[in-house]
Amino acid sequence: DIQMTQSPSTLSASVGDRVTITCRASQGISTWLAWYQQKPGKAPKLLIFKASTLESGVPSRFSGSGSGTEFSLTISSLQPDDFATYYCQQYNDYVITFGQGTRLEMK
Amino acid sequence: QVELVESGGGVVQPGESLRLSCEASGFIISAFGMHWVRQAPGKGLEWVAFIGSDGSETYYADAVKGRFTISRDNSKNTLYLQMNSLRSEDTAVYYCAIRDFYMDVWGNGTTVTVSS
Repeated sequence: DIQMTQSPSTLSASVGDRVTITCRASQGISTWLAWYQQKPGKAPKLLIFKASTLESGVPSRFSGSGSGTEFSLTISSLQPDDFATYYCQQYNDYVITFGQGTRLEMK
Repeated sequence: QVELVESGGGVVQPGESLRLSCEASGFIISAFGMHWVRQAPGKGLEWVAFIGSDGSETYYADAVKGRFTISRDNSKNTLYLQMNSLRSEDTAVYYCAIRDFYMDVWGNGTTVTVSS
């Protein structure tokens, strides 16, 4: 199975900051990568698919990039609503795997 | 309004079985692959299983292979997860989600607790 490793595990930041979360795949997955946001007690929300395509309704401050084994999610200017946990997910094959998550907390 | 609603969770003893359901409303599921994803208390997301739009293809995580069975009844717009030989490590919130690869619509989850 393809392993997904996110870094950092926890990120402390302030409103207005630009933040980047990294996701590394154990083997090449082209651009078959999605990013999700999850808040406590809620279901995950799709933010980005195909590595860089923004899901409808997601604010443009979110962006994704990368291909192969290295990917990133960037939030250009943190808003109060963005403090949450973020997960990457590969779908290069039918055995899907998620990263372990990055908790974005308020500094 | 597009919605997925899971049901069937509960508290069971190790070795017992449980069947989860996921009923869709506001859209027809027959056009979409569907997934089950779980989240143990305080842990991250773990993909469990996938079923293709017509039910002919199924895939499972190693942790549940041979114990869980994903199925669907498109005439009832409903997805299922039959869970047998449950273990304490299966304790989690179980979510259903749609789309063949990434997941763009999720239910709110149903909680399964396996404890003696």
